[in-house]
Amino acid sequence: DDVLTQSPLSLAVTLGQPASISCRSSQSLGSTDGKAHLNWFLQRPGQSPRRLIYKVSERDSGVPDRFSGSGSGTDFTLKISRVEAEDLGVYYCMQGTHWYSFGQGTKLEIK
Amino acid sequence: EVQLVQSLATEKKPGESLRISCQGSGDDFNYQWIAWVRQMPGKGLEWMGVIFPGDSDTKYTPSFQGQVTISADKSTTTAYLQWSSLKASDTAMYFCAGGANWDIWGQGTMVTVSS
Repeated sequence: DDVLTQSPLSLAVTLGQPASISCRSSQSLGSTDGKAHLNWFLQRPGQSPRRLIYKVSERDSGVPDRFSGSGSGTDFTLKISRVEAEDLGVYYCMQGTHWYSFGQGTKLEIK
Repeated sequence: EVQLVQSLATEKKPGESLRISCQGSGDDFNYQWIAWVRQMPGKGLEWMGVIFPGDSDTKYTPSFQGQVTISADKSTTTAYLQWSSLKASDTAMYFCAGGANWDIWGQGTMVTVSS
């Protein structure tokens, strides 16, 4: 089974400051179509998860461009260039190359 | 675009059976994979399994195989998650998800199992 390890598990950020979340896979997530099947989701309190990024770096419609994804192989990163109040919640990475699995989640709080 | 609407929250006793549902709207429901995801209280997301409603091809994460049954009725564009004998440890929020690369999620169904 592929294990995704996120760090940090919690993050307190001042509004307007950047944030970065790491997601490391126990196996390479490389795929034949050139982009790993690595997604990022945000789950706000009391809500369903919402996908922000798919295939490592493709931003979903309506997702602000302050969110960006990068990485390859086993190391992936979600970056928020300037945190806003609406960004609080728990962020999950998810892979779909070796069956499916989620990272443990990273809780983003506003400082 | 498919939308997913899940059944309402429910409370059951240990040993009882249960089936919860995820109904899709839109023509594509039967031709895409639908997943079930568990979230225990205060915990993270866990992938349970998937079904392709068009032919009911079903796959499970090993830890959920034999513990639940995933099924679908393509005539009503509905996917189901079923337990034959609930345990207290089945208490959780259950989400269905679909779409290309899992961009569509249901609102979740809270299942509480308590004596």
